[in-house]
Amino acid sequence: EDKVVQSPLSLVVHEGDTVTLNCSYEVTNFRSLLWYKQEKKAPTFLFMLTSSGIEKKSGRLSSILDKKELFSILNITATQTGDSAVYLCVSYNTDKLIFGTGTRLQVFP
Amino acid sequence: NAGVTQTPKFQVLKTGQSMTLQCAQDMNHEYMSWYRQDPGMGLRLIHYSVGAGITDQGEVPNGYNVSRSTTEDFPLRLLSAAPSQTSVYFCASTYLASGSQETQYFGPGTRLLVL
Repeated sequence: EDKVVQSPLSLVVHEGDTVTLNCSYEVTNFRSLLWYKQEKKAPTFLFMLTSSGIEKKSGRLSSILDKKELFSILNITATQTGDSAVYLCVSYNTDKLIFGTGTRLQVFP
Repeated sequence: NAGVTQTPKFQVLKTGQSMTLQCAQDMNHEYMSWYRQDPGMGLRLIHYSVGAGITDQGEVPNGYNVSRSTTEDFPLRLLSAAPSQTSVYFCASTYLASGSQETQYFGPGTRLLVL
């Protein structure tokens, strides 16, 4: 059975901290891994990863994929209260997305 | 370009009633899908479609029907609503061409309450 597992389930930090969110996957016909940010609305796209070892960056966020060990991490440096959200890890195989349950990040001032 | 639109935003149904959740996209995406999101369960795939006239079941298809008569529209039908179908429903679409960014575009969601 295809599955995506995220950890931790919940994380509480203070502004300025650096956080690492983890995602492991077991998916047949794996094609890509995606990260989404979800606040009190629909998920918004962050990154798509298809190749191992190539870091993708967008401002304070970065992500990398390890296709040998079947995991990905999402790093957020110098966190801000606006980073508070649920972060979804999603695996895309040949015809569908498989979602993890998400990591809820709360950033306090 | 409106992206992915969903209607209604919120709906209350009585057990046994039927209804259709509408989803439309104007980006000419081949792939469209429906998810439900429940606390602690993440997003679960209900049905998906890789093109007009082609649909398939996802992880939790029971109690739902879909059709894809056009590229733009992908309605989700609840034939006889049950309280277990109380959830937030998201429609999404993707452009599947080889080598393109496989970004999923999500609609704003429909919050459904079944009494």
